[in-house]
Amino acid sequence: AQSVAQPEDQVNVAEGNPLTVKCTYSVSGNPYLFWYVQYPNRGLQFLLKYITGDNLVKGSYGFEAEFNKSQTSFHLKKPSALVSDSALYFCAVRDMSLDNFNKFYFGSGTKLNVKP
Amino acid sequence: SAVISQKPSRDICQRGTSLTIQCQVDSQVTMMFWYRQQPGQSLTLIATANQGSEATYESGFVIDKFPISRPNLTFSTLTVSNMSPEDSSIYLCSVSDKFNNEQFFGPGTRLTVL
Repeated sequence: AQSVAQPEDQVNVAEGNPLTVKCTYSVSGNPYLFWYVQYPNRGLQFLLKYITGDNLVKGSYGFEAEFNKSQTSFHLKKPSALVSDSALYFCAVRDMSLDNFNKFYFGSGTKLNVKP
Repeated sequence: SAVISQKPSRDICQRGTSLTIQCQVDSQVTMMFWYRQQPGQSLTLIATANQGSEATYESGFVIDKFPISRPNLTFSTLTVSNMSPEDSSIYLCSVSDKFNNEQFFGPGTRLTVL
């Protein structure tokens, strides 16, 4: 079965500092990995994805994520955090098996707090 | 990316009643999904809405409680039947198609059952 884990319920960072939101995955086969962001009272917005290719993936709003196969991780990063980045972040994996094709499995979410 | 709208955006309902949530997409999509999310929590997949056939429900969700329609490739409805306070949640519609690996989400419907 596919799954992702987000070990931190909350991450606090000062504005201007780099941020990392952690995600580890467990999949059978090649991983299709995603990051989404949810602002208060809004739906989820797609940030970036890893399907294949370069391990460093760049996405929206200056975010990037590093795919690490040996550590089965897909951590979200940003070099310089903004107060407006404060939101709930979800890591997800897509199931590519025939039985559950295109089903997504979401992590528990990490609340990012960026303080001015 | 697809633009997705949901109606209503929020509602407050009485116990025992039913509410139908609509999801409209601005383009034809292959797959549509319905999720439930407690505020600040993760998403739980309710079902996959199949065009022209019965929806595929996840474990713990049944058609009698959450009937779903999908009459065409741009529209779906989810009904929450015989509601109880435990049904209070955010209900999200999402879509994907053969050209994208990611899912795109609607803004959600915030339901409160009294």
